[in-house]
Amino acid sequence: EVQLVESGGGLGQPGGSLRLSCAASGFTFSSYSMNWVRQAPGKGLEWVSYISSSSTTTYYADSVKGRFTISRDNAKNSLYLQVNSLRDEDTAVYYCERVVHCSSTSCSFFDYWGQGILVTVSS
Amino acid sequence: DIQMTQSPSSLSASVGDRVTITCRASQSISSSINWYQQKPGKAPNLLIYATSSLQSGVPSRFSGSGSGTDFTLTISSLQLEDFATYYCQQSYSIPYTFGQGTKLEIK
Repeated sequence: EVQLVESGGGLGQPGGSLRLSCAASGFTFSSYSMNWVRQAPGKGLEWVSYISSSSTTTYYADSVKGRFTISRDNAKNSLYLQVNSLRDEDTAVYYCERVVHCSSTSCSFFDYWGQGILVTVSS
Repeated sequence: DIQMTQSPSSLSASVGDRVTITCRASQSISSSINWYQQKPGKAPNLLIYATSSLQSGVPSRFSGSGSGTDFTLTISSLQLEDFATYYCQQSYSIPYTFGQGTKLEIK
C-alpha cells in the first residue's frame, strides 16, 4: 500500500525557517517524481514545487522561489521541503504527492497524496 | 502561467442528479487536465487524468471530456458520498495550476 506521511510542520515565526519531511512507503520511491502542494485555510490548492526522481530537475512556484528548497533522499525514501524566510501567506496545509508522468508528452498527475501537515506563520 | 477557471464556484444538487462542472484554460492545454475530489479535512483524491482516463478505484459515474481549452467533469448520478469540492488541474506546463474549486452541496 502506497503511503506518504508528512511531518515537521507547526508554528514558525515570520522570517523563520521550517523543514518539512515526507516519508514514502509501498512503492519504489526512486522511480517517481514528487511534488508539494499547499492549501491556505479555507482556500484552494496551490502547487508549490516539483522534483524529478533523480533530483536533476526542480521547479518552484514564483511565490516561493528563492525561499523554498525541495530535495529528496532516495536511500531514505524521503522528500523534503526547506522553508525559509517565512511569510504570513505561507500559512497552509502542505501536502506531498507522488507524480506520474503519462507516456504522452505534457501529461502528469498526482495519484497519491499525504494527509497533509499544517504550517502556521505567526509571531 | 496558464489560468484555470472553473464554473460554477458552487452548485446545489440532489442525489441522483446528473452534474457537470466546467474548467476553461487560458490557453490550449491539449488533453493535459486532471480532476480531484476533496472532502473537508482530507487530502484531495485523483478522479480523472489526461481529460478522460478514470483513476483506478473511482466509480464509473465519474467521467471527463474536452480538449484544447474547454473541459468538463460529469457525475452521471450523484451519490451522497459525492458531495465535496472538485478541482481541475493542468499539467501542460509548469507551473502546474489548479482551478479555484467547485463546491458541490446537497440541495
